[in-house]
Amino acid sequence: GENVEQHPSTLSVQEGDSAVIKCTYSDSASNYFPWYKQELGKRPQLIIDIRSNVGEKKDQRIAVTLNKTAKHFSLHITETQPEDSAVYFCAASRVDDKIIFGKGTRLHILP
Amino acid sequence: KAGVTQTPRYLIKTRGQQVTLSCSPISGHRSVSWYQQTPGQGLQFLFEYFSETQRNKGNFPGRFSGRQFSNSRSEMNVSTLELGDSALYLCASSFGTSGGSTDTQYFGPGTRLTVL
Repeated sequence: GENVEQHPSTLSVQEGDSAVIKCTYSDSASNYFPWYKQELGKRPQLIIDIRSNVGEKKDQRIAVTLNKTAKHFSLHITETQPEDSAVYFCAASRVDDKIIFGKGTRLHILP
Repeated sequence: KAGVTQTPRYLIKTRGQQVTLSCSPISGHRSVSWYQQTPGQGLQFLFEYFSETQRNKGNFPGRFSGRQFSNSRSEMNVSTLELGDSALYLCASSFGTSGGSTDTQYFGPGTRLTVL
């Protein structure tokens, strides 16, 4: 909880290249870190999450890494495709406390 | 299984009025959270209800309130509307048993509120 900073706010990558979005959090007790994707005009949807007992998690072209010491976590998308264009939100929370979202990254996949 | 639904989808109000938004969670989900989404501030947590009790609360003024019914449906109320309350209000549901905000959340389509 408390504060989550997300960078960059906008990211443009060539189709087929990789995209990386980074977030830092302030509450060292945070133990759950989800990533949501929101396409234009649609609701946010969970794409991947990681808990603090794990350093990395992968699901096909998407991976998330967590560095608890530095209090930052990152989303990696490889072999980007046009359908990856969306706004991505990171978030941090802990049991029985409110969830805090980053301000979002608008990802553009260029043809 | 039906997803999270919200009503109404669009609402136009004038300053000073009040508004009530409704959220029906996924069947079996007992936690409902509410968020305000604006272009400049992203997704901001309003509050979470679990088993008819407010479990967590964000940093919003007391004009924002909510409640949850025994069937887990939730309502959010905003009194004395201000221009700055114009936003997309999203609700999300989860099982809620592992501790509120650390469950996977499933979002509804949102209610677009415009305050004139």
